[in-house]
Amino acid sequence: DAGITQSPRHKVTETGTPVTLRCHQTENHRYMYWYRQDPGHGLRLIHYSYGVKDTDKGEVSDGYSVSRSKTEDFLLTLESATSSQTSVYFCAISEKPQGIAGDTQYFGPGTRLTVL
Amino acid sequence: SQQGEEDPQALSIQEGENATMNCSYKTSINNLQWYRQNSGRGLVHLILIRSNEREKHSGRLRVTLDTSKKSSSLLITASRAADTASYFCATDAQSGYSTLTFGKGTMLLVSP
Repeated sequence: DAGITQSPRHKVTETGTPVTLRCHQTENHRYMYWYRQDPGHGLRLIHYSYGVKDTDKGEVSDGYSVSRSKTEDFLLTLESATSSQTSVYFCAISEKPQGIAGDTQYFGPGTRLTVL
Repeated sequence: SQQGEEDPQALSIQEGENATMNCSYKTSINNLQWYRQNSGRGLVHLILIRSNEREKHSGRLRVTLDTSKKSSSLLITASRAADTASYFCATDAQSGYSTLTFGKGTMLLVSP
């Protein structure tokens, strides 16, 4: 298995509180991604990073921010959590970008977040 | 918006039977990938097929790609109970965006 860990694995929080999820990799891969998975929607991309301090928005980025200060860590922050952000969050990494290069994405185990 | 859509949403078969799942997509692609997700776990990459390829094999998996119909199929031969999982197709977009778009998945149940 690719060396990807996510923390915490489970979290329950209240509406309006800030939440930070961490993704840590030991593969030295350049590309990192945050997805959310919800019933009926599959996986949807929130944000991704193509290098240290280089990030971009995905399909469902509203209400989320990210930071990447080191190659190995990619943080996802919910500044003020809402019930609609209750979901399972997955981090993924890849060595090369998608597009013409086309590369495998390796997924972390996921974080189950519940916002009450 | 969803690029890939899998069909059927759910599939139930007996061990030893073949399972076929389909994926349709909307815009031209460079590559299409298939992933598997066991319940409560992260996704695992199965196979990548490039737009200039028509068929690819990996063990009991066979993937086809028809770019004229914008569709792909994943065939699992001689299914086992351990193949029970959700299967997702994922596509990029020829615009060069460095990300994948995943479908909603097909849930496969293989009964002993």
